[in-house]
Amino acid sequence: QQQVKQSPQSLIVQKGGISIINCAYENTAFDYFPWYQQFPGKGPALLIAIRPDVSEKKEGRFTISFNKSAKQFSLHIMDSQPGDSATYFCAASNRRDKVIFGPGTSLSVIP
Amino acid sequence: GAVVSQHPSWVICKSGTSVKIECRSLDFQATTMFWYRQFPKQSLMLMATSNEGSKATYEQGVEKDKFLINHASLTLSTLTVTSAHPEDSSFYICSARGHSGRANEQFFGPGTRLTVL
Repeated sequence: QQQVKQSPQSLIVQKGGISIINCAYENTAFDYFPWYQQFPGKGPALLIAIRPDVSEKKEGRFTISFNKSAKQFSLHIMDSQPGDSATYFCAASNRRDKVIFGPGTSLSVIP
Repeated sequence: GAVVSQHPSWVICKSGTSVKIECRSLDFQATTMFWYRQFPKQSLMLMATSNEGSKATYEQGVEKDKFLINHASLTLSTLTVTSAHPEDSSFYICSARGHSGRANEQFFGPGTRLTVL
């Protein structure tokens, strides 16, 4: 019940296209859903996060869509750029509890 | 923003030796610090959670006698890998969480690459 599922495992998108990564969770006690971006050899960096009281959050080219009833959330990267090529992790946590990470999606944006 | 540093960024050691990794919160007080291990092309696996001034809580399957964690101050936590073996080679990442504000938010360090020969 603590697991966070993520798909696809890898994704190739053309420059300017939309990258979409999907995640699902089981534990209804989760109340914080962050997305992290990680470049090779670096620690993960918080990209954007959402709480279950809103259905969508947008920051620049990054948008989180949240479906509480389906227990799913997704990351949309608009106008994808080669610099967005990285591994993306969705995650979930309950208040001040530990963060549970999804398995990750390797995104490659090709020119 | 909140900054977390790690030292060293990479270390190579011989099998059987011990290695200490430091994690520091540079501009905030971290009441809780987390230690993760990440193998190539895999997700972050939480090893332990430490609160300042108290013993760390280890995840199931993590040997507390092998991975010693100390969180002696609100800005410093250390992870010591004792009697390291080649299978301990991995990318070790710490994160820190402060007192208040965004209660769930963790700030991650840049990671430490450990190679055991």
